[in-house]
Amino acid sequence: GDSVTQMEGPVTLSEEAFLTINCTYTATGYPSLFWYVQYPGEGLQLLLKATKADDKGSNKGFEATYRKETTSFHLEKGSVQVSDSAVYFCALGTYNQGGKLIFGQGTELSVKP
Amino acid sequence: DTAVSQTPKYLVTQMGNDKSIKCEQNLGHDTMYWYKQDSKKFLKIMFSYNNKELIINETVPNRFSPKSPDKAHLNLHINSLELGDSAVYFCASSSGTGAYSPLHFGNGTRLTVT
Repeated sequence: GDSVTQMEGPVTLSEEAFLTINCTYTATGYPSLFWYVQYPGEGLQLLLKATKADDKGSNKGFEATYRKETTSFHLEKGSVQVSDSAVYFCALGTYNQGGKLIFGQGTELSVKP
Repeated sequence: DTAVSQTPKYLVTQMGNDKSIKCEQNLGHDTMYWYKQDSKKFLKIMFSYNNKELIINETVPNRFSPKSPDKAHLNLHINSLELGDSAVYFCASSSGTGAYSPLHFGNGTRLTVT
């Protein structure tokens, strides 16, 4: 079945470091791909999305490119801030699963000053 | 204005009790969801309703029963609570199916069963 795999956390970086969180997926059909972020004590919120191959989603300095050939949707940011500390979830959505979103296991990011 | 609101924020109860969590959204969305997040942050969908009709019902014990009185509300009732039910429960909504439309989440209800 469809699935999403993220890199294990926690990831600890210093402020202004470069961030990559890997995400790969398995899906039949043509899924949409998402990154959601969960700040401490809050619900998830959409960070960015891409709906077809080679699309690049971007928001708040974060980017991810939908790579069909490598079935990947890695999240990157050039210079992280302490305020980026959160849990990041990669997710895929297809009609194959009755319209539900399938989440990866989440990657916790901690940014130190 | 809070888009998706859940009550209560914290719920502490004993094994065997029955409890409910309420959810309301003011976004005009047609689809609402319940997710369970365990202590390792893993998110699992439990139920989804579209216009008050159940469309997703994952393998969840019968003790969990969702109810949608109208498309803006989706409540979760849990009977005979067990220790393993301790988790954070999130309500969410979307304008279409969550596969393609962004989900809007509430801030969660932390359920602790003792």
